[in-house]
Amino acid sequence: SQQGEEDPQALSIQEGENATMNCSYKTSINNLQWYRQNSGRGLVHLILIRSNEREKHSGRLRVTLDTSKKSSSLLITASRAADTASYFCATKIDQTGANNLFFGTGTRLTVIP
Amino acid sequence: KAGVTQTPRYLIKTRGQQVTLSCSPISGHRSVSWYQQTPGQGLQFLFEYFSETQRNKGNFPGRFSGRQFSNSRSEMNVSTLELGDSALYLCASSLAGSKFTDTQYFGPGTRLTVL
Repeated sequence: SQQGEEDPQALSIQEGENATMNCSYKTSINNLQWYRQNSGRGLVHLILIRSNEREKHSGRLRVTLDTSKKSSSLLITASRAADTASYFCATKIDQTGANNLFFGTGTRLTVIP
Repeated sequence: KAGVTQTPRYLIKTRGQQVTLSCSPISGHRSVSWYQQTPGQGLQFLFEYFSETQRNKGNFPGRFSGRQFSNSRSEMNVSTLELGDSALYLCASSLAGSKFTDTQYFGPGTRLTVL
């Protein structure tokens, strides 16, 4: 399977702390994207990092990409209770431009107020 | 701009029946993709439609089919429902521009329960 793996599967932190989750994948990619999902709802796009980028920031989010290790990490700084959700990485690998994302297994983040 | 909308939000069917789910993409988006999410298999790609043509297909049986209309709206059909088809079905739309930067935006999903 080309699906990625995320680590840890679950993470529980206090409000104000930083949360780091990792994603590993198996094949060369066009880009890697991170999504958030609140319990049983749709996915919210957080950030996209292209294969030729190493780091990207968006507000309290910082994403790194290491294509040599086929891995990415998502850092959420100064976490809030509202950040409680599942976080998924998704890779886009199709060279033709067709849209099919391969999703990781997800990290369940709980931020305790 | 309005986001991706999916109807219905919830659906209960019995084994053997068929079901049609609908997705309206963000205005101007030409690509619509469908995904199935289950606790056991996670998020899996079903298929993608672009300019009314299926451009890509995941590893699902032929009971799963779809189509796209000229206004980019898409429908997904599942025939002869099985218990294992119970899942959250997510639709995503994108501009279908650069393969390096194209972002997919997801709808709220349709929760299908097969009894």
